[in-house]
Amino acid sequence: DVNLMESGGGLVQPGGSLRLSCAASGLTFTNAWMTWVRQAPGKGLEWVGRITSKSDGGTAAHAAPVKGRFTISRDDSKNMLYLQMDSLRTEDTAVYYCTAGWANLHSWGQGTLVSVSS
Amino acid sequence: QSALTQPPSASGSPGQSITISCTGTSSDVGTYNWVSWYQQHPGKAPKLMIYEVSQRPSGVPDRFSGSKSGNTASLTVSGLQAEDEADYYCSSYAGSSILIFGGGTKLTVL
Repeated sequence: DVNLMESGGGLVQPGGSLRLSCAASGLTFTNAWMTWVRQAPGKGLEWVGRITSKSDGGTAAHAAPVKGRFTISRDDSKNMLYLQMDSLRTEDTAVYYCTAGWANLHSWGQGTLVSVSS
Repeated sequence: QSALTQPPSASGSPGQSITISCTGTSSDVGTYNWVSWYQQHPGKAPKLMIYEVSQRPSGVPDRFSGSKSGNTASLTVSGLQAEDEADYYCSSYAGSSILIFGGGTKLTVL
């Protein structure tokens, strides 16, 4: 079974930074395209961005609301996915999910809560 | 890209069938067969129920089915069961590496 475990969430002030991590197991991580999805409290799902496998270029794409502030990266040697979040805003408050796939998100982590507040 | 349009709520009695719609545009649902449906129970992570319009992952009951016509995709749940009560979200590839979600539909089993 695929297991995805996010960490790194917490309370941060507006303008601050946070790095989320996602430890992956049960899949061939090197070949996996990975995606971050977030969900604001009481709201729906929102695509944050994705990163391709290294063999497909290892390129990241980010949603318009986070472009230039968030960066997705990966370390295949550690089976880890990352989301670097800078210049955080109150509207970034959400549960952040690490998922496997790019259009068909077949496996999800349990999510980590990021709260942006002064 | 705007979010896909879903009805906020839907309901049905046990044993009945219900269909949830997901309306996009010719730039997303209408062009690509990368339409998925996710089920989310309160406090839990979403679960993939349908992918590529009508494909079911292993382990998903065949009571769940998907289809698409033009710019609208649909999820049908047949033989409703109490455990089907949850939020359902559709998603579609929208080109240029972008994935968009619907606003979600709360399904109530009466």
